[in-house]
Amino acid sequence: EPEVTQTPSHQVTQMGQEVILRCVPISNHLYFYWYRQILGQKVEFLVSFYNNEISEKSEIFDDQFSVERPDGSNFTLKIRSTKLEDSAMYFCASSEGRGNSGNTIYFGEGSWLTVV
Amino acid sequence: SQQGEEDPQALSIQEGENATMNCSYKTSINNLQWYRQNSGRGLVHLILIRSNEREKHSGRLRVTLDTSKKSSSLLITASRAADTASYFCATPFSAGNMLTFGGGTRLMVKP
Repeated sequence: EPEVTQTPSHQVTQMGQEVILRCVPISNHLYFYWYRQILGQKVEFLVSFYNNEISEKSEIFDDQFSVERPDGSNFTLKIRSTKLEDSAMYFCASSEGRGNSGNTIYFGEGSWLTVV
Repeated sequence: SQQGEEDPQALSIQEGENATMNCSYKTSINNLQWYRQNSGRGLVHLILIRSNEREKHSGRLRVTLDTSKKSSSLLITASRAADTASYFCATPFSAGNMLTFGGGTRLMVKP
């Protein structure tokens, strides 16, 4: 079964450093997402991306975050200057159609980010 | 907020028993999705149920949706130790693409 793949699975970074998390969505999917889950807390939406632009973003997705689809297969999340509170599991997800139209959203295994 | 909230927060049962988890949400939706998360792992999609469906089955899983009560339930029959995980319901927020997740039910199935 096709799956969303994410790299790295775990990254430790110094506070203030830039981090890029990478994702390969399912190949025929058109909608891409990033979510995060701080340890012990709920899964939170960050951003959705369609047609090479951000379609929605949450309050969490401030100026330190950016997303990019640099080629036909990868989808990246960049955190420009990491803070301790950015430590979380970051999930990439994708769907064939709009999430509100009854399309299943498939998630990757996540990238654990630890900021020290 | 359109957030789903699961109940109970934690559930411990013996292998072979059935497990029922409930989800309540606040505003009208056109679909609801259930996910499983093993500790420290990714979210695995279980079932999507649309607002015009009342019940859906997948293997040992049965999901119901009551739009009048704004609630859904996930039943796992004949549970196995491997079903030990957290289970989340997720609902779409407004007309957009984002899902909002509840806090999850932590299920422990004892062998």
